[in-house]
Amino acid sequence: DVKVTQSSRYLVKRTGEKVFLECVQDMDHENMFWYRQDPGLGLRLIYFSYDVKMKEKGDIPEGYSVSREKKERFSLILESASTNQTSMYLCASSLPRAWNTEAFFGQGTRLTVV
Amino acid sequence: AQSVAQPEDQVNVAEGNPLTVKCTYSVSGNPYLFWYVQYPNRGLQFLLKYITGDNLVKGSYGFEAEFNKSQTSFHLKKPSALVSDSALYFCAVRDPTGTASKLTFGTGTRLQVTL
Repeated sequence: DVKVTQSSRYLVKRTGEKVFLECVQDMDHENMFWYRQDPGLGLRLIYFSYDVKMKEKGDIPEGYSVSREKKERFSLILESASTNQTSMYLCASSLPRAWNTEAFFGQGTRLTVV
Repeated sequence: AQSVAQPEDQVNVAEGNPLTVKCTYSVSGNPYLFWYVQYPNRGLQFLLKYITGDNLVKGSYGFEAEFNKSQTSFHLKKPSALVSDSALYFCAVRDPTGTASKLTFGTGTRLQVTL
């Protein structure tokens, strides 16, 4: 079975902390994505990566960075956490240039910044 | 730029009745359309997709969706709803003329099925 695993289900961090959200996939997918989910706003793309060490900004990259050192792992970094980054974060992966295939999602990390 | 609209925040239906969750899209080329479901505190699960071919697509858990190019719609349907179908549903579009393979999601529709 296809698997995308996010390292934490729930996380509570303090304002100003540097936060790392980790995501690992076992499907040998080239593409990986980070979304945040907020009520009434749906899923919004933060960053995506189509290969190791490659990354592109999504729709809302401000306040975030990413790291892709290995194909199976894609990390989302909050450089200095703020309360408006309290949200559900979802990682996903998919095949490259495969327009007709679905993306596979992790179980999500609910981050609270206090 | 591609976009998806889900005009209803919530849909209420009685168990056993048919259900429809609406989705309209906007893309510059031919669309690739997807439906996902999210149960409480979980990630998204893939339900079905339209790529090409028959306008009626069948997916998981008895769900189907109808692609209508002239109305730019991709409504999710099920002939007989179950209480266990209660969840958050997302429509998504992938524009093949865009960069990479990123999906653009709608804002989601909460389906509530009652006895």
